[in-house]
Amino acid sequence: DTGVSQDPRHKITKRGQNVTFRCDPISEHNRLYWYRQTLGQGPEFLTYFQNEAQLEKSRLLSDRFSAERPKGSFSTLEIQRTEQGDSAMYLCASSLVPAGGGYTFGSGTRLTVV
Amino acid sequence: AQSVTQPDIHITVSEGASLELRCNYSYGATPYLFWYVQSPGQGLQLLLKYFSGDTLVQGIKGFEAEFKRSQSSFNLRKPSVHWSDAAEYFCAVAGGNQGGKLIFGQGTELSVKP
Repeated sequence: DTGVSQDPRHKITKRGQNVTFRCDPISEHNRLYWYRQTLGQGPEFLTYFQNEAQLEKSRLLSDRFSAERPKGSFSTLEIQRTEQGDSAMYLCASSLVPAGGGYTFGSGTRLTVV
Repeated sequence: AQSVTQPDIHITVSEGASLELRCNYSYGATPYLFWYVQSPGQGLQLLLKYFSGDTLVQGIKGFEAEFKRSQSSFNLRKPSVHWSDAAEYFCAVAGGNQGGKLIFGQGTELSVKP
């Protein structure tokens, strides 16, 4: 198993454009999580899925953000009408249920909005 | 709701000296507790985790942590720090729903003096 994969590693976009990120979790993990991390801060929870069901979404997540996990495998995170404040590292993680083995993180996608 | 506090934003220790990074959590029941390490521009690597049983847990790279329920703490320790340990360290807690979302502290940046 190659771990959690995220694509792309880096994304530069102009303000107002839409962007989509992809996460491929560890194949046997049924939970998948999205986090956002800004410089000097801990990762901030955005949302998570169990199989294809979205179980929780942060109240901090604006309507411009949407995530899907259509077949319970990979997931996409889309940001519409990007703003400069969206510039951050977006991290994906996966785990089993229960999370006895811990949460495995990908290397992240760094988004820069110019 | 669960939360994590890491009181020390930045710590500097000399190479070969001992290290203790503090972590306090808030959660109503017995939590799942984790320590992660992050090098600049990289994802998060799991150092160790606590779910139940022995309150002193051993991790990778010579790290250990002790769960103290009475103090709501999960401090990370290492007896002798190496220059390669310089990084950002995050304490995290997961709670209900067999793990659920992971909530992070703001992190402690460790610098190592030669």
